[in-house]
Amino acid sequence: DAKTTQPTSMDCAEGRAANLPCNHSTISGNEYVYWYRQIHSQGPQYIIHGLKNNETNEMASLIITEDRKSSTLILPHATLRDTAVYYCIVRGNPYSGGGADGLTFGKGTHLIIQP
Amino acid sequence: GAVVSQHPSRVICKSGTSVKIECRSLDFQATTMFWYRQFPKKSLMLMATSNEGSKATYEQGVEKDKFLINHASLTLSTLTVTSAHPEDSSFYICSARDPFRVLGYTFGSGTRLTVV
Repeated sequence: DAKTTQPTSMDCAEGRAANLPCNHSTISGNEYVYWYRQIHSQGPQYIIHGLKNNETNEMASLIITEDRKSSTLILPHATLRDTAVYYCIVRGNPYSGGGADGLTFGKGTHLIIQP
Repeated sequence: GAVVSQHPSRVICKSGTSVKIECRSLDFQATTMFWYRQFPKKSLMLMATSNEGSKATYEQGVEKDKFLINHASLTLSTLTVTSAHPEDSSFYICSARDPFRVLGYTFGSGTRLTVV
């Protein structure tokens, strides 16, 4: 799996958009970008994933650059409950056996939402 | 959908005893489940891959005789920490992937193990 680089921590004001960057310059053509978050003392929670197109769901938006070397997770209106560690993970094609191995977690970004 | 239940959420045991942690996929069948360990302020580290009906695959440095994994059915995997020591105290998390869904991996809520 390609390596990812994320800032160690970020602050964001409540109600504002939180933009979390991730660099994955060695990503290969068939690898997806996954985002998970982990609230303190809980298991990781799936947020979103994408290949090359921007994606949006009820939780967040994922913007992937055209060269796919980086991406940004956007939480449009951050709340205090969004305080968590956010992990950007690059993974093989989930449609064709990419789920045979467990996920490799980096250190992630500790996002702190300030009231 | 894709819910993974993990029990217990918290356990305290005496040094030298064994502890069993259960991981169940509630609404899907998981041929493969994963076990992670997380120390304070650290990231999750994959310990082993649990395969239904066959032996688990352990990551380098993880003792298979100490961390026994059983995946006897398509909805249940268990991790038994044998002869637990204080250094085994950690947060253990399981994960499963529904092969018919593409929503990534679903994680359990974790088990906080404290060995005294």
